Amino acid sequence: GAVVSQHPSRVICKSGTSVKIECRSLDFQATTMFWYRQFPKQSLMLMATSNEGSKATYEQGVEKDKFLINHASLTLSTLTVTSAHPEDSSFYICSARGGGVYNEQFFGPGTRLTVL
Amino acid sequence: KQEVTQIPAALSVPEGENLVLNCSFTDSAIYNLQWFRQDPGKGLTSLLLIQSSQREQTSGRLNASLDKSSGRSTLYIAASQPGDSATYLCAVKETSGSRLTFGEGTQLTVNP
Repeated sequence: GAVVSQHPSRVICKSGTSVKIECRSLDFQATTMFWYRQFPKQSLMLMATSNEGSKATYEQGVEKDKFLINHASLTLSTLTVTSAHPEDSSFYICSARGGGVYNEQFFGPGTRLTVL
Repeated sequence: KQEVTQIPAALSVPEGENLVLNCSFTDSAIYNLQWFRQDPGKGLTSLLLIQSSQREQTSGRLNASLDKSSGRSTLYIAASQPGDSATYLCAVKETSGSRLTFGEGTQLTVNP
């Protein structure tokens, strides 16, 4: 299957700082990218959907000014957690979809964010 | 609104057992259903994808079935191994362009 990478895999930051997470589709062009958040022992919660060149669509309850999403190219999307607080600590997973026969989504390995 | 439920939430079995994980969904008008595996602290690995017109898919020791009319899917794992220990998630897609709706997952432990 297609490969999606995320960087960094782990990040620890101080409260009040901003953190950027990159998501790249390595061998296909991703027209749509998804950002998920996962708390311990829970399933994935969709935060937002972004289409290349357009503004992201955020799920209800997700603050768009806090979680900035940029999908500037067909292979790269970024999630910036602004003014991070300890409650933002979580596992963030991106997913990319690039068309194909079944319009399948491929998932990145995730980024563990810890805010002190 | 589509809801996906997975039973059981956790399962512990001895090595070598055959086992079945269950997934149910409330709206039978789906485009496809997918089973994923997630290891602790890792992303998702796609195991099997079943289109709405299909009844089952097989890959190695894994077999997934789909009964769209009753809103159910099962993942059968034959001759389980300790390396199968992980969380298994099922997800449905309602249309070609729609999002995936995930279940809560089944945490599987295979004891040597």
